[in-house]
Amino acid sequence: KQEVTQIPAALSVPEGENLVLNCSFTDSAIYNLQWFRQDPGKGLTSLLLIQSSQREQTSGRLNASLDKSSGRSTLYIAASQPGDSATYLCAVKGSQGNLIFGKGTKLSVKP
Amino acid sequence: NAGVTQTPKFQVLKTGQSMTLQCAQDMNHNSMYWYRQDPGMGLRLIYYSASEGTTDKGEVPNGYNVSRLNKREFSLRLESAAPSQTSVYFCASSDAVNTEAFFGQGTRLTVV
Repeated sequence: KQEVTQIPAALSVPEGENLVLNCSFTDSAIYNLQWFRQDPGKGLTSLLLIQSSQREQTSGRLNASLDKSSGRSTLYIAASQPGDSATYLCAVKGSQGNLIFGKGTKLSVKP
Repeated sequence: NAGVTQTPKFQVLKTGQSMTLQCAQDMNHNSMYWYRQDPGMGLRLIYYSASEGTTDKGEVPNGYNVSRLNKREFSLRLESAAPSQTSVYFCASSDAVNTEAFFGQGTRLTVV
């Protein structure tokens, strides 16, 4: 059974700091890994998708890496802003097509 | 583009009542998913449909049934609602196995 873990559960940083969010998964037989953002009371917004054959993806100030063999992914946020405050979720798609989520990291960026 | 649309957005049920949550996507996606999100528990997969005509159980299927009505629509039914089913429910869809998933805005369900 696939299990996805995100560390830390919560993070508070001052504006402008670079930060790393971590995601680990137990079964390396995945098709892809996706990072999402969720604002309070809202749905999920896709940030980055990394295919199992890829090592990283970049979008603006966001960079996600994937090490499938070790079951790890990181989301790097450069020059954080108060608008980045949200919960960040990672999800892995398994061989049966199911999409399993971690519990998320709640990020707070202080002005 | 509408993307993934869920109805209703809010619902209050009494224990024992039944209801169906509706989900429709306009992106011609093959796969659709139902999740529930509870504080401290994250998003947990209830059921998913990898393609039209197939459905599979996720992590927490008990108390729920699903119907993949056609390629666009995937409904979630609570036959006899219980307070433990109070949650926010999300529907999602994706195309092939290597494409991103898109989510609806959620249905906030309270069972009293």
